[in-house]
Amino acid sequence: DAGVIQSPRHEVTEMGQEVTLRCKPISGHDYLFWYRQTMMRGLELLIYFNNNVPIDDSGMPEDRFSAKMPNASFSTLKIQPSEPRDSAVYFCASSFETTRETQYFGPGTRLLVL
Amino acid sequence: AQKITQTQPGMFVQEKEAVTLDCTYDTSDQSYGLFWYKQPSSGEMIFLIYQGSYDEQNATEGRYSLNFQKARKSANLVISASQLGDSAMYFCAMREGYNTGKLIFGQGTTLQVKP
Repeated sequence: DAGVIQSPRHEVTEMGQEVTLRCKPISGHDYLFWYRQTMMRGLELLIYFNNNVPIDDSGMPEDRFSAKMPNASFSTLKIQPSEPRDSAVYFCASSFETTRETQYFGPGTRLLVL
Repeated sequence: AQKITQTQPGMFVQEKEAVTLDCTYDTSDQSYGLFWYKQPSSGEMIFLIYQGSYDEQNATEGRYSLNFQKARKSANLVISASQLGDSAMYFCAMREGYNTGKLIFGQGTTLQVKP
C-alpha cells in the first residue's frame, strides 16, 4: 500500500507569494495531520482533520495559513502571503483512529521562502 | 500542560552495542500514548514503537524496546545490537489526552553509530 504522498518535495519561493502544499493520506485513514518542523521550534502540529472536518487548528500560526480537506484522499495547506520565517519542512501524516494507532508521516515538503 | 523532554542532544554508540535514549514526559492525563520516531538524514519520519499508558508489558518491535516506567514518567527507547543504519535523529512523542490526534514531540536525540 502506498504511504502518505506529499507534493512538492521542495519549494523555493519569494516573500509575498502564495504557496500550496498538497497531501494524499493513506487510503482508509480517518485522520490527517499537518506538522511543521524547524530548528528553533522542533515539530509542531498545525492542524488535524477527522473525516475531512478540521478538529483542532490551534497550532496554525496566523491567518496567513489555511488548510482544507475537500475529500478523504486530498488535503492542502496554503500560505498566503509567504514570509521568510515560514521556511521549514512541512509534514503531512495520517492514521486510522487516534487512540492507539500511530501516525504515518509523508516525506515532507521542504519550503524555502526568500 | 503536557511536555516531552529528551535531555540527550547527541549520543554515540559502537556498532553492535545497545544504546538507551532517554525520554521523560509530564501529563495529568490517566490515558495517554507514547511513541518513538526515527528521522534519518533523508528527512522522513519513521514510526518505531508505541506504548499505551495502560499497557502492562513494555513494548518491543524487533531490535527496539521501550522501557516504560510509569511512576517515573519515563519512556526510554532501547536499541539493541546497533547498526550503522541506526544513525539518525530520534524523537519521543506523546499523544495529548485521550482520543485526540495531537502528538507532542520532544526536541530529539541525534544518535551516531560508530563502526
